[in-house]
Parts: sequence; C-alpha cells; structure tokens
Amino acid sequence: GQNIDQPTEMTATEGAIVQINCTYQTSGFNGLFWYQQHAGEAPTFLSYNVLDGLEEKGRFSSFLSRSKGYSYLLLKELQMKDSASYLCAASNSGNTPLVFGKGTRLSVIA
Amino acid sequence: EPEVTQTPSHQVTQMGQEVILRCVPISNHLYFYWYRQILGQKVEFLVSFYNNEISEKSEIFDDQFSVERPDGSNFTLKIRSTKLEDSAMYFCASSETGGGTEAFFGQGTRLTVV
Repeated sequence: GQNIDQPTEMTATEGAIVQINCTYQTSGFNGLFWYQQHAGEAPTFLSYNVLDGLEEKGRFSSFLSRSKGYSYLLLKELQMKDSASYLCAASNSGNTPLVFGKGTRLSVIA
Repeated sequence: EPEVTQTPSHQVTQMGQEVILRCVPISNHLYFYWYRQILGQKVEFLVSFYNNEISEKSEIFDDQFSVERPDGSNFTLKIRSTKLEDSAMYFCASSETGGGTEAFFGQGTRLTVV
C-alpha cells in the first residue's frame, strides 16, 4: 500500500519563499510528483523526481530523498496567484497510477 | 498544446439514474485514468486503462462503475444507479507511458446526484 502525508494548510507572504513537505511510504517507487490545483480546477503538473536531489524549474523547485521517503516543493518569490492546493503524488511502479496525498492548501497574503 | 477534454463540464442527475462521463485523452497517450475528488477531499484513483482493458482499479471502482473505449478517441466512465455519495468532480487523465510519466488531467466533470 501507499501512504502520503503533507501539511493541510500553510500561509506565506507575497515575495517570500515557502517549502511544502511530503513524506511517503510505498511498496515500490517510480517517482514523486507535485501538482498544483486551484479551487474547482484540474490538477496541473509541476515537477517530477525519481532520483535524489533537487530539480529546479523557474520559481519552483522540488527535492527528493528516497532513503528518507521525503520530498519538498520550494516556491520562491511568491505571488498571489500561487494560492492553491499543492498535491504530492507517488507512483510505485512503472504502470501503476499516481496516488495523491490530501494536498496542502497554500494561502499567499500581501 | 494538446489537452485532455471532458464532457459535460457539469451533470446533475437523479439518484438511481445512469450517467456517462466522456473524455478524449491526448492522442498519442497510451494510459488512461479516471479519478474523482469529493468536495474538499483528496484526489482518489478509480481506474486505469491500457491496451483496451482495465489495468488497475481501486476499491471504490465497484460493479456500479464501468469504463469503455468505444472508438479510437473516446474514453468513458459509466456510473449505473447513481447514489448521493457519487457527487464529486470526476477527472480523466492520460499519460504517455504509465506511472513514471506525468499525467495530464482534463478539466473535470462536476457530477451532482440529487
């Protein structure tokens, strides 16, 4: 089975940096994904890590430690439009579907 | 940019009725999925489909549910005899090569059972 944990809510200030953590337990591992979901909309892909380390993509970066079953999403230079839920999702083998965590609702305030 | 399209965007149905939710996955993708999200809750996996058959399904996907790929482009989810608790957002997704690649989600169908 799989278990994915992430904080329920976070608040951060416009222009700041925020780190959203995710821990996972899976029977196998084929990658850790981060998705962004605005209220009432579909999840949209942000990042994918399968090897340890940091993947940077513009203002967003994602880190993975396979030995610790841990990932984080780092958002820099926060903007109001970054207010959304951030979903951590794991794949445990080549053909299995993503299993999502409950999501972290991020509120960016002025 | 290619996208997954879903119809209808909203569907209201009476309890006990059958509904069919439609999806057109991205054309060169081989894996198709249905997920649902009850309001305020997490995205839950229902079923995955590959090579014209179900490859995996969750415990939610019971005999009430079925999927079909009736032609080369459409992928449908049928819910027989809907219940109030089936009210949710239903997302279709597709991916190129399965679990190790990103899944692209459609905009969802909001199903309300009354």
